[in-house]
Amino acid sequence: NAGVTQTPKFQVLKTGQSMTLQCAQDMNHEYMSWYRQDPGMGLRLIHYSVGAGITDQGEVPNGYNVSRSTTEDFPLRLLSAAPSQTSVYFCASSFQVNTEAFFGQGTRLTVV
Amino acid sequence: GEDVEQSLFLSVREGDSSVINCTYTDSSSTYLYWYKQEPGAGLQLLTYIFSNMDMKQDQRLTVLLNKKDKHLSLRIADTQTGDSAIYFCAESIDNQGGKLIFGQGTELSVKP
Repeated sequence: NAGVTQTPKFQVLKTGQSMTLQCAQDMNHEYMSWYRQDPGMGLRLIHYSVGAGITDQGEVPNGYNVSRSTTEDFPLRLLSAAPSQTSVYFCASSFQVNTEAFFGQGTRLTVV
Repeated sequence: GEDVEQSLFLSVREGDSSVINCTYTDSSSTYLYWYKQEPGAGLQLLTYIFSNMDMKQDQRLTVLLNKKDKHLSLRIADTQTGDSAIYFCAESIDNQGGKLIFGQGTELSVKP
């Protein structure tokens, strides 16, 4: 049982480049979310989805897009990378809201 | 808006008890959580408490909830060096799909 799988684990981008962070879960969870973790700021919610075809914005959505075409996958797209997006990104899933959230191992992104 | 506050650092000696404190603002939260993050890893759920409970005990962990003061604490008895990690308090926002709002995290350092 793989749980929540994020790829890549590390990435360096140049300012202005675009890329997609992948997240997949094999637990048939309806609720998925993306967070960014910055020193001294905890985790901040970027986007979330309560089921396939449904997405919504979190606290810090600017500069990011998401889609949820299947229950399993929830990719996060950076449209035009900026140094302020240097962070560690975590994907999480849960069976439904208010149940235990399972986290991926994170993607460490550096934008130069 | 919603806010969750934690102190950033705590240092204890092996065998002592650790108490990590958290305050939150949203009085409608149904669940409050404690997550643990070890270096280079994602977050793992340690324990959670329903908002209608005052206390929950789970082996070495005791969670205390004071709803009137919106204060949550996590006590770790007989703290071990393996407990060294960052501990995050989180509340779920019921009227926003149960999204999780995290505190900044408390880095627990256990000295032998």
